[in-house]
Amino acid sequence: AQSVSQHNHHVILSEAASLELGCNYSYGGTVNLFWYVQYPGQHLQLLLKYFSGDPLVKGIKGFEAEFIKSKFSFNLRKPSVQWSDTAEYFCAVNADTGRRALTFGSGTRLQVQP
Amino acid sequence: GAGVSQSPRYKVTKRGQDVALRCDPISGHVSLYWYRQALGQGPEFLTYFNYEAQQDKSGLPNDRFSAERPEGSISTLTIQRTEQRDSAMYRCASSLVGGGPETQYFGPGTRLLVL
Repeated sequence: AQSVSQHNHHVILSEAASLELGCNYSYGGTVNLFWYVQYPGQHLQLLLKYFSGDPLVKGIKGFEAEFIKSKFSFNLRKPSVQWSDTAEYFCAVNADTGRRALTFGSGTRLQVQP
Repeated sequence: GAGVSQSPRYKVTKRGQDVALRCDPISGHVSLYWYRQALGQGPEFLTYFNYEAQQDKSGLPNDRFSAERPEGSISTLTIQRTEQRDSAMYRCASSLVGGGPETQYFGPGTRLLVL
């Protein structure tokens, strides 16, 4: 069974700082990878996804993530964060075996200070 | 509808009572998923449906939990004889189903508190 690790549980940044949130998964086969975001008081929204092709994927609001297969990683990045990026971020993986359930990491709470 | 909707948004119940949580998926979405999210954790898979058929219920923690989707649209997750440990956010998601990977779209969740 696959698992997902997000090592940063709580990150505090100042506006304009760069962001990188780590995500590692454990599964030896082909995977589909996702980052979801939950803004305060809102529901989980898809930020970006990787199925195949270019391992550097771009999502909404200036976020990007890079799939590094050799490291089993799918880290989320943003060059310059804004106060409005304050949210909880979840990495999720779905093994490409036909089992459609997502396995989520425990989440990273990002707090951006103005 | 425009997105996945869930009701109620909040539910407070006493231990031992049964609760029913409802999910209305995005129109046209074939697959429907239920997840449970404890405080400080990510969502954990419970069960999912394609149309009205329950395809995988491996995540249901015990036989007090059941789900149905009788007409292939709205789904109900039922918890019988609730216990305090059942307190959590219950999330529903839906997706189109096709031959390849898919994206799941989530509803606002139902926060359940068992006293």
